[in-house]
Amino acid sequence: EAGVAQSPRYKIIEKRQSVAFWCNPISGHATLYWYQQILGQGPKLLIQFQNNGVVDDSQLPKDRFSAERLKGVDSTLKIQPAKLEDSAVYLCASSLAGRSRDTQYFGPGTRLTVL
Amino acid sequence: AQSVTQLDSHVSVSEGTPVLLRCNYSSSYSPSLFWYVQHPNKGLQLLLKYTSAATLVKGINGFEAEFKKSETSFHLTKPSAHMSDAAEYFCVVNNNAGNMLTFGGGTRLMVKP
Repeated sequence: EAGVAQSPRYKIIEKRQSVAFWCNPISGHATLYWYQQILGQGPKLLIQFQNNGVVDDSQLPKDRFSAERLKGVDSTLKIQPAKLEDSAVYLCASSLAGRSRDTQYFGPGTRLTVL
Repeated sequence: AQSVTQLDSHVSVSEGTPVLLRCNYSSSYSPSLFWYVQHPNKGLQLLLKYTSAATLVKGINGFEAEFKKSETSFHLTKPSAHMSDAAEYFCVVNNNAGNMLTFGGGTRLMVKP
């Protein structure tokens, strides 16, 4: 079974530029999550989708971050404009619905460096 | 509200000796508890999970964890460390109400030859 796919793996941009990350969850997983992991810390949830609807985006800085999950499969996370403090690893995860939904499976992440 | 505290930010052991990574949690619900491992430049890999069945949970690569409700702990152990175990380990709680994960701060395990 293929895991969660993310691209790109690494991205370097200058502040005030925009950037987008892509995630393809495990086939059949209805729930998709984006996390931000700052160096030396545990991941922090940014947004959670159930199919193509947003379940929780309370931690998403909506003035600069946006995310969508069209058609309930792939998802993109965008930052515009980027700030220095956005330098982090952005992790995508997915889970099944129902009784097994408590277990999330993570992709390899995208390491963003903002200069 | 829920929270997770990993009591050691760094643990160093010699190869072949036991590993103990400590985790305490708090949760208003009956939680699911997990340990994930993250190798350098890799994503998070699920080691094991507890979901109110047996309190001693066996995971991959010889790791296991014991859920102790009275102590609100979920410590991770392994009888004999291997060099490949060197990584960052995260204790995680899921309150299952909104399916939200809360991560501990992580413990970096170093294994000396």
